Amino acid sequence: QVQLVQSGAEVQKPGASVKVSCKASGYTFSGYDIHWVRQAPGQRLEWMGMINAAYDNTKYSQKTQGRVTISSDASATTAYMELSSLTSEDTAVYYCARGPADRRLGLDYWGQGTLVTVSS
Amino acid sequence: DIQMTQSPSSLSASVGDRVTITCRTSPSISNYLSWYQQKPGRAPKLLIYAASSLQSGVPSRFSGSGSGTDFTLTISGLQLEDFATYYCQQSYSTPRTFGQGTKVEIK
Repeated sequence: QVQLVQSGAEVQKPGASVKVSCKASGYTFSGYDIHWVRQAPGQRLEWMGMINAAYDNTKYSQKTQGRVTISSDASATTAYMELSSLTSEDTAVYYCARGPADRRLGLDYWGQGTLVTVSS
Repeated sequence: DIQMTQSPSSLSASVGDRVTITCRTSPSISNYLSWYQQKPGRAPKLLIYAASSLQSGVPSRFSGSGSGTDFTLTISGLQLEDFATYYCQQSYSTPRTFGQGTKVEIK
């Protein structure tokens, strides 16, 4: 069965960086995109960016572009999201999600979420 | 960026009620719209894709309609397990924006 398993919770200081992993299994990794979505406490879902696992093409939201780097390792069937220059506003649950090549099909499988807390 | 306006932001309903949530986009996105359900402390779950197609395993009381700029999620016969927050998301272009969410609460 399809699974996306994310790395554990993180506590980071302002100005630091964090790297969250998303291990995929149960499907052909290169056949799908991986998206990253975050949710600050009590807030809406916010799309951060995506990577095409076959070609390593990335797209980012302008809100965090310049601070976020999404990458993947096909041999490990794992995607990564690294966010730098953290502030308290980056405190959120970060989710990875699988996106089929046909954009109309939605994000059909999600990781369990990784809580990132930014605090001095 | 494509603007998403979801309404209402919250509603109270009883078990068995018919519930309708709307999502309006600017500009038009054809049928590149999905609906998700999220329960507290859980990841979102895909309910509807391509505006009106039911995701596998999702109960048939959930339905979606619309095209262009106006979309609707309907729950026909609300069940206890349906009390949650619902989000629309467009996949027409990046950034793949979400609506602000609709919290469905027990009356």
